[in-house]
Amino acid sequence: GQQLNQSPQSMFIQEGEDVSMNCTSSSIFNTWLWYKQDPGEGPVLLIALYKAGELTSNGRLTAQFGITRKDSFLNISASIPSDVGIYFCAGQTGANSKLTFGKGITLSVRP
Amino acid sequence: DTEVTQTPKHLVMGMTNKKSLKCEQHMGHRAMYWYKQKAKKPPELMFVYSYEKLSINESVPSRFSPECPNSSLLNLHLHALQPEDSALYLCASSRQLAGVLIGELFFGEGSRLTVL
Repeated sequence: GQQLNQSPQSMFIQEGEDVSMNCTSSSIFNTWLWYKQDPGEGPVLLIALYKAGELTSNGRLTAQFGITRKDSFLNISASIPSDVGIYFCAGQTGANSKLTFGKGITLSVRP
Repeated sequence: DTEVTQTPKHLVMGMTNKKSLKCEQHMGHRAMYWYKQKAKKPPELMFVYSYEKLSINESVPSRFSPECPNSSLLNLHLHALQPEDSALYLCASSRQLAGVLIGELFFGEGSRLTVL
């Protein structure tokens, strides 16, 4: 089945730094999504991407849909303590297909 | 504030108990989902309801029984669970366009289930 690869499992950054995380696959996806999950909460959608090459921003977050349709990245600029959480990428291969989730990256921000 | 409401937030049950998890959304979404999530792992899809009909069952054991009474409500009935079923159970909803599931899921906060 399709798999989405996210690594490393954990990232540690200093407050104010930028951080970039990517998500790769050997399969083509037609939709890429990025979710964030805080402890004790459900995942929250950050950004959805629908076209190859698309670059979309949401505040300090920027995400891109890779041209090959096999990858996506998420960039967080000027990190703040509330950016702490688990970031999941997710993809959809086609119409009516279920979401495939990556294993997630746990982000820690040192004040 | 989440627009998908799940109750209870926490549930402890024995292996012989019968309990239910409830989910409600008022966004007009016609697709609703149950996911199971273990600690530090991604959510795993269990069931999808589309227009109140079960459209996807990911080979979930029969001790989990979903029900969609109407377009706003989704239940998960639990019976004779095992300790390994302890997890965070997440409900989600999404739009559908011309019958196509849209991947933009709105999740509830989850129900933390412990099976003793």
